[in-house]
Amino acid sequence: DVVLTQTPSILSATIGQSVSISCRSSQSLLDSDGNTYLYWFLQRPGQSPQRLIYLVSNLGSGVPNRFSGSGSGTDFTLKISGVEAEDLGVYYCMQATHAPWTFGGGTKLELK
Amino acid sequence: QIQLVQSGPEVKKPGESVKISCKASGYTFTQAGMQWLKQAQGKSLKWMGWINTNTGKTTYAADFTGRFVFSLETSASTAYLQITNLKNEDMATYFCASTTGAYWGQGTLVTVSS
Repeated sequence: DVVLTQTPSILSATIGQSVSISCRSSQSLLDSDGNTYLYWFLQRPGQSPQRLIYLVSNLGSGVPNRFSGSGSGTDFTLKISGVEAEDLGVYYCMQATHAPWTFGGGTKLELK
Repeated sequence: QIQLVQSGPEVKKPGESVKISCKASGYTFTQAGMQWLKQAQGKSLKWMGWINTNTGKTTYAADFTGRFVFSLETSASTAYLQITNLKNEDMATYFCASTTGAYWGQGTLVTVSS
């Protein structure tokens, strides 16, 4: 199975600070169809996950543009340009290139 | 608006079965596949597999073969997850979600306790 390693596991930030989360894959996520099926989700406490980014860098519907995704192959990054209070929770990367689809271990974003 | 609404929390004994429903609304049910995911308390998400809502074809992750069954009631725009012979380690919140990840149910907590 593909292993996704997220760092850091805990991220302390102040409101307005810009932060990044890394997601490294144990194998390339470039599919034979030319797409890279790498997603980012935010799970706020007590809620279902919300899709933020799909196919590495595409912003989900209704997601603020302070969120951005980048990367290729095995290395991916989620950036938040100016953390807001509503951004607190656990962030997960997920790959759907190789079955079984797998998730990273999560990065908890908390207020400093 | 598009919604996935899951059935309510369940409390079961080891060895019993549970069937969780996921009712879709706001879109054509057969236009998006449905995946199922497991989240134990305080843990990351685990992908269980998915069902093609057009053909009914199912794909299960290796850890979810045998006791886990995905099914559909297309006329009711509803997907189901059945777990038989429940074990303590099945205690978790189960989510349905579109295979695009864009839409998620609210989760169903399954408690397994003797």
